[in-house]
Amino acid sequence: GENVEQHPSTLSVQEGDSAVIKCTYSDSASNYFPWYKQELGKRPQLIIDIRSNVGEKKDQRIAVTLNKTAKHFSLHITETQPEDSAVYFCAASQDGNKLVFGAGTILRVKS
Amino acid sequence: GAVVSQHPSWVICKSGTSVKIECRSLDFQATTMFWYRQFPKQSLMLMATSNEGSKATYEQGVEKDKFLINHASLTLSTLTVTSAHPEDSSFYICSAVPGLDYIQYFGAGTRLSVL
Repeated sequence: GENVEQHPSTLSVQEGDSAVIKCTYSDSASNYFPWYKQELGKRPQLIIDIRSNVGEKKDQRIAVTLNKTAKHFSLHITETQPEDSAVYFCAASQDGNKLVFGAGTILRVKS
Repeated sequence: GAVVSQHPSWVICKSGTSVKIECRSLDFQATTMFWYRQFPKQSLMLMATSNEGSKATYEQGVEKDKFLINHASLTLSTLTVTSAHPEDSSFYICSAVPGLDYIQYFGAGTRLSVL
């Protein structure tokens, strides 16, 4: 089955700096890769997603890149703000079926 | 749009009792819903896939007789934790997928504490 690895487990950045979180997946059949943000005790919220027919997608300060050959994808957050502090999860699935999540990254933005 | 409601948000029960958790899609029909379990400071682990009108598909290692799932309509799935024990204490989260979309929308989760 699919296995998703996520790094780093914790990331501290200064406000205004960029943050990058990386994930690798094992199943070449996976074609949908969402990123979720989860604040403590709350529901995961989708922040951006990418499908395997696209190499990069951007939404304001957030971008995701996908390298199908290497089977890895990354989340990029620019101009970080304190409210970006949360746990971020990457995930992979085939055709939007069951998601396999990475272990999560705790992002702390210091002001 | 795409709102998923989950109830209760928090429940405490005695060991040996059963607890039912509801997951509703409020503004869309969801052929498929998913149930996850999340331990503190850990990731979401898929427990089962719930399909309307058919039996749920459980992930390896998940006891289907302990975690009963019923997807009675296109807007409601329920998870019943039967004969709960302290080790069942966890955060349970559901998600639902509108139609043929890929995006999973999550409920707010249910924190279960078994005494």
